[in-house]
Amino acid sequence: GENVEQHPSTLSVQEGDSAVIKCTYSDSASNYFPWYKQELGKRPQLIIDIRSNVGEKKDQRIAVTLNKTAKHFSLHITETQPEDSAVYFCAAREDSGTYKYIFGTGTRLKVLA
Amino acid sequence: ETGVTQSPTHLIKTRGQQVTLRCSSQSGHNTVSWYQQALGQGPQFIFQYYREEENGRGNFPPRFSGLQFPNYSSELNVNALELDDSALYLCASSLDQQVPNTEAFFGQGTRLTVV
Repeated sequence: GENVEQHPSTLSVQEGDSAVIKCTYSDSASNYFPWYKQELGKRPQLIIDIRSNVGEKKDQRIAVTLNKTAKHFSLHITETQPEDSAVYFCAAREDSGTYKYIFGTGTRLKVLA
Repeated sequence: ETGVTQSPTHLIKTRGQQVTLRCSSQSGHNTVSWYQQALGQGPQFIFQYYREEENGRGNFPPRFSGLQFPNYSSELNVNALELDDSALYLCASSLDQQVPNTEAFFGQGTRLTVV
């Protein structure tokens, strides 16, 4: 079945350093790849997304890259700040049927001040 | 805020009981999906409702059922609760399932604890 693998499961970086989270998906029909940030006890919030016809997208300190051939996509956060500390989830959405999201298992990012 | 509201926010139930969770979708959205997020895991797709019909289901047993009403709000019902049903239940609404590339907006979730 469809699957999204996410690595690493935990990541600690010093404030100001960069953080990279990687995901691999299995369903070649997936065409939309959002990234969510979830703070403790709160809803997942969309922080950036990328569609299959684009290889890279950037929004201030956050960027996402997509390699459709390899079925890889990555989240890059530069100049990390303590408020970036949260759990980050990648997801892949099939572009047919239910358009359901398949989520990765999450990465707990800790930015050390 | 996303405009998607869920109730209740927290709930404690006893094993074997039944529970109903509610979701009001964002105005104009006709598609609601439900996800279960166990502690330390990513959300898992339960099912989706589109224009009052179930439209896709994940690997959940039949004791998980749902409804969507004419105003597109939705309910998730779980019968014969088990301890492993303890989780955060999220609903997500989107503009129209038939329109590709539409974003889903999550509610704040209902935290269900089964004791």
